[in-house]
Amino acid sequence: DAGVIQSPRHEVTEMGQEVTLRCKPISGHNSLFWYRQTMMRGLELLIYFNNNVPIDDSGMPEDRFSAKMPNASFSTLKIQPSEPRDSAVYFCASTPESTEAFFGQGTRLTVV
Amino acid sequence: SQQGEEDPQALSIQEGENATMNCSYKTSINNLQWYRQNSGRGLVHLILIRSNEREKHSGRLRVTLDTSKKSSSLLITASRAADTASYFCATCGSGDKLTFGTGTRLAVRP
Repeated sequence: DAGVIQSPRHEVTEMGQEVTLRCKPISGHNSLFWYRQTMMRGLELLIYFNNNVPIDDSGMPEDRFSAKMPNASFSTLKIQPSEPRDSAVYFCASTPESTEAFFGQGTRLTVV
Repeated sequence: SQQGEEDPQALSIQEGENATMNCSYKTSINNLQWYRQNSGRGLVHLILIRSNEREKHSGRLRVTLDTSKKSSSLLITASRAADTASYFCATCGSGDKLTFGTGTRLAVRP
């Protein structure tokens, strides 16, 4: 398996634009997590899914952020409209039940 | 939100010395995990300790867990320059929610 695959690896966009980050988890993993990492706030859990169902989205900063998992092999995190303070590295991770999480390489988002 | 607080925030040691990092958390857990992150990369899983375990070893890594104090420690013995990285604890709670601590930046001087 190629591991967790995130795209794009880098994204530079202008304030106000819509941004969509994508994640392909490892086949057979039943939980998927979205994290945001910044120097100021560290590694924050935004939302996680179990068997494609959103379980906890309490970490989503505001209504500008939304996440979907239409099937077991794909998830998206969308920011609309984007703002400079959304600049961060966004990680997706997947895991079998209650065991180690496998992380993607992250998407570095810069909003100018 | 972050579940764990780690200390120290940064640690600098000489190659060959041992490095100890501590993690405190707030709520009940199913297990606690430690991860490593090299600059600009994703996190890599190191070791998992279940809530009914007190100590676990893996190579040069030793993890302890004290659920009464809600704390864990990671010991890296005989450190190497290649161990230079950030280390994070993560708590796995109800519903498999995995929440990370603030991390410790470890620098190992050759």
